[in-house]
Amino acid sequence: AQTVTQSQPEMSVQEAETVTLSCTYDTSESNYYLFWYKQPPSRQMILVIRQEAYKQQNATENRFSVNFQKAAKSFSLKISDSQLGDTAMYFCAFMNPAGDMRFGAGTRLTVKP
Amino acid sequence: KAGVTQTPRYLIKTRGQQVTLSCSPISGHRSVSWYQQTPGQGLQFLFEYFSETQRNKGNFPGRFSGRQFSNSRSEMNVSTLELGDSALYLCASSFAPTGEGNTEAFFGQGTRLTVV
Repeated sequence: AQTVTQSQPEMSVQEAETVTLSCTYDTSESNYYLFWYKQPPSRQMILVIRQEAYKQQNATENRFSVNFQKAAKSFSLKISDSQLGDTAMYFCAFMNPAGDMRFGAGTRLTVKP
Repeated sequence: KAGVTQTPRYLIKTRGQQVTLSCSPISGHRSVSWYQQTPGQGLQFLFEYFSETQRNKGNFPGRFSGRQFSNSRSEMNVSTLELGDSALYLCASSFAPTGEGNTEAFFGQGTRLTVV
């Protein structure tokens, strides 16, 4: 069974600095999808970034980038130039080709002014 | 265009009752997935519907059921409610079923269910 582990329950960062959220997963699949979702206090889940396992190039979306290490089964999220609006819960998620999805427990990120 | 709409936003039920939650996907989206979020278990997948058919089901008891209508709106039903069913229930919609083509899912704000 696939599992997703986020080992940092809480993190904080100063505004304008960089922070990295870690995520590891376990699977025997060779092809799959990985996601980072953000859940602000409004409770809506917002897709931050996604990565397809067959692509070696790390995905980037503006200030958000990932470090995808397939052999190590690691998928960390780097947030550059942190902003107050980045304060939220961040969930790492894994999806196999059949569509079964697993989420990590989440990391609560606080950006301090 | 309008986002994913979940109703009601808040709900309080007593043990043993049943509850129905509703999810209206983004216009044009035919896939709807349901998730349960609790502090203890995190975010767990319940089931996914596409074109009125259940495609995937998570590891939940039979008290949890769902359906999808021809207009892609989906309902989730929980019967014989237990205290442990208290959670935030999230619905997500996407154009294609997960694993096929466009996999981006858009979430609603959720329904907060409290069982007392």
